This record gives sequence, C-alpha cells and structure tokens, in this order.
Amino acid sequence: KAGVTQTPRYLIKTRGQQVTLSCSPISGHRSVSWYQQTPGQGLQFLFEYFSETQRNKGNFPGRFSGRQFSNSRSEMNVSTLELGDSALYLCASSMETDGELFFGEGSRLTVL
Amino acid sequence: GEDVEQSLFLSVREGDSSVINCTYTDSSSTYLYWYKQEPGAGLQLLTYIFSNMDMKQDQRLTVLLNKKDKHLSLRIADTQTGDSAIYFCAEHAGNNRKLIWGLGTSLAVNP
Repeated sequence: KAGVTQTPRYLIKTRGQQVTLSCSPISGHRSVSWYQQTPGQGLQFLFEYFSETQRNKGNFPGRFSGRQFSNSRSEMNVSTLELGDSALYLCASSMETDGELFFGEGSRLTVL
Repeated sequence: GEDVEQSLFLSVREGDSSVINCTYTDSSSTYLYWYKQEPGAGLQLLTYIFSNMDMKQDQRLTVLLNKKDKHLSLRIADTQTGDSAIYFCAEHAGNNRKLIWGLGTSLAVNP
C-alpha cells in the first residue's frame, strides 16, 4: 500500500511569505503528526491531529498552524516566514494516536 | 524536563558491531524507540522496547534498556555499509503521549 506522501518536496520562500504543506497519510490511518527537523534542534514536535481534531501541540508560535480533513489528509501552514523556519518538515501517520509512526520523506523549506 | 541525549557521531568498520547509546530523563516513559533515517528519506522505525523489558533482540539488532540509569542502547551486529544512516532514539513521554527525540547519531560504516 502507498506510504505517507508529502508535497511539495522542496520549496523556496522569502521572509514574510506564508507556506502550506500537505500530507496524505497511509490509507486507514487516522492520526497525523508534524515535526520540524533542523540540524541544531533535531526533531521538534509541532502538532498531532486525530479524526480532524488537534490532539497535541508542541511549543511553536502561533504562526504555525495545521488542520486535518475528513479523509485524514492534513495540511500545515506557516505564516510570516522567518529565516529560522528553514527546515525539513516531516509528517507521520499512524492507525491510532499511540501507534507506530510511518514517516513521509518530508518537505524541505528554505526561507531566503 | 523531558530530554533525550545521544552522541552525534559513530564510525565503525564493516563487519564490526556498532553500539549507539541514548539517555533519557522521563521515568514514566512507556515505550522507547529506535528510528533510522537514510539520506533524503523520512524516518523508519527499526525497533522499540517496552519500559518493563530489559532486552529485545531482532535479527542483527539488540536493544538494551537500563531503566534505573535511564539508558538505552542499540547494538547492530555485523554492521554493513547499508547501515550508514542517522539513528534516532525517542521516548514516549507518558502524560501527553508525544515522542521526545534525541538529535540523532550519524553512523558511518567504513569498508
């Protein structure tokens, strides 16, 4: 079965712009989590959605937001981009909230 | 607070065993995980251990857990060049069910 699909894979934005990233989970998975990965900070948890509800949230400013649709697809949005938002954004899906995480290949965002 | 620490780099020769170490702080952790990330790819679950276990073996992988010292290790026997990757340790912090990640150990396997 198809894995977790993230789009776009690469994108370049400038400071002040906003960006929307998309994640399609494995069919049947209802939980989607988002992580930011940077060389210095490692993997930082952004948020988790389960059945269209945000179940958990990390320590990121309000510029970072997300949502989940009825088909379990999820989007995350970052507004007013800053240079420090340059990172690999990883999405992971699981059957249930505590289940094994299956990761996508990530969306690499560069902010100039 | 919650924290997971790993050494950043490890270099071994092909055929040797690799041991990647991890320490964590949350004594209420229920599960501890090892993930592997190859270049340009997402993370792949390698193995996990429940907090009431001391050891788990899965083919070339052996996980040891010392709950008293909050120390977790991953041993890879007969390390191959295909094992070159970044290995992440993560703990499942019990209360809010999120994973806390180490910074990852970059394993280089030399022929």
